[in-house]
Amino acid sequence: DAGVIQSPRHEVTEMGQEVTLRCKPISGHNSLFWYRQTMMRGLELLIYFNNNVPIDDSGMPEDRFSAKMPNASFSTLKIQPSEPRDSAVYFCASSSLAVRTDTQYFGPGTRLTVL
Amino acid sequence: AQSVTQLDSHVSVSEGTPVLLRCNYSSSYSPSLFWYVQHPNKGLQLLLKYTSAATLVKGINGFEAEFKKSETSFHLTKPSAHMSDAAEYFCVVSDQINAGGTSYGKLTFGQGTILTVHP
Repeated sequence: DAGVIQSPRHEVTEMGQEVTLRCKPISGHNSLFWYRQTMMRGLELLIYFNNNVPIDDSGMPEDRFSAKMPNASFSTLKIQPSEPRDSAVYFCASSSLAVRTDTQYFGPGTRLTVL
Repeated sequence: AQSVTQLDSHVSVSEGTPVLLRCNYSSSYSPSLFWYVQHPNKGLQLLLKYTSAATLVKGINGFEAEFKKSETSFHLTKPSAHMSDAAEYFCVVSDQINAGGTSYGKLTFGQGTILTVHP
């Protein structure tokens, strides 16, 4: 079982550049979550997809952030243009049911540094 | 609104001594509660979860946690610490919330407790 796969593991970019983070959920899971982890704010949910449809994007910080899930096995989180305050670790997680008792399985994360 | 408070940002123990990581939660009704562990530069791994069954929950690597509704607590314990237990631990509450015409289990994370284990 491969688990949740994220790429790249590390990304360093300059302010103003476009950044795309990628996620492959566990096969058979129909719920996908994007989180951001920072020292100041801890772990916070950015967006939740169910069956490839965005359900809750209330955590997306601003219009510079966008997320897509074109199919059940792939999702992207895009930041355009990037800013230094976007520097964080971004996690993708997936679950099979997304009910409150269900376990979310996390990927290894992408560490983003915006210079 | 749900929330989680981890009472210690850092805990330091000696190898072979007990571990206690404290967590208090606030939730609108009976929540599900989780403990996740994050080793340096790694993702989050589930240690254990409580979902309204037995109040004493056993997890991986010898960890366990007890759900106490009267105290709104879900403390994580281990009888004997190993060097490999050094990591950051997150207490998490999951509540069913409504969004976009449906409902789902939304996780709220505590701020984390860094566990240091001395030889």
